[in-house]
Amino acid sequence: GEDVEQSLFLSVREGDSSVINCTYTDSSSTYLYWYKQEPGAGLQLLTYIFSNMDMKQDQRLTVLLNKKDKHLSLRIADTQTGDSAIYFCAEVPGSYQLTFGKGTKLSVIP
Amino acid sequence: AAGVIQSPRHLIKEKRETATLKCYPIPRHDTVYWYQQGPGQDPQFLISFYEKMQSDKGSIPDRFSAQQFSDYHSELNMSSLELGDSALYFCASSPRLADNYEQYFGPGTRLTVT
Repeated sequence: GEDVEQSLFLSVREGDSSVINCTYTDSSSTYLYWYKQEPGAGLQLLTYIFSNMDMKQDQRLTVLLNKKDKHLSLRIADTQTGDSAIYFCAEVPGSYQLTFGKGTKLSVIP
Repeated sequence: AAGVIQSPRHLIKEKRETATLKCYPIPRHDTVYWYQQGPGQDPQFLISFYEKMQSDKGSIPDRFSAQQFSDYHSELNMSSLELGDSALYFCASSPRLADNYEQYFGPGTRLTVT
């Protein structure tokens, strides 16, 4: 995760929007991903964005990509308690393996 | 839909013992990846296989080895276990020719070394 940076914690109230930010370093990454991990569970792919896109929306999820600044964000609208988890951004820097950020722990306050 | 299967789900071993973790990819997926996630850490890539050949190697210790078999399942063999090997080990699979390089993760094997 040394090439992908994320803030470690985010706390929001139920019903508010959450914005999780990520900075990556490899401009050759073709795709960028957001994974969700609930406690003791595996990694669930939430969404991904192709590097030639600026924005992708999928129901409550909006991904914004700023290639110039190598900045990726995930917005969760109407955040619910079930959204509480750790969110990892990940890139595929050249070869096929994923490089993950350290993860952002999202806590949703009822 | 079929998912990636990993076994066992939990494993407890003592120092210096060996362990074998198994991964069964989604049918028709030809590529398997292994990741290690230490407590409170992000997943770290260990090794991957494409069509039964090693394709990429990450931060895998020399004490570990892996292979992919003719039915595409993969095994991660870990010898001379150390306390620091305690982690969640994920297997992921993908069809190599998928446009978006999407990897589907299994539920993980939690290895505890005592």
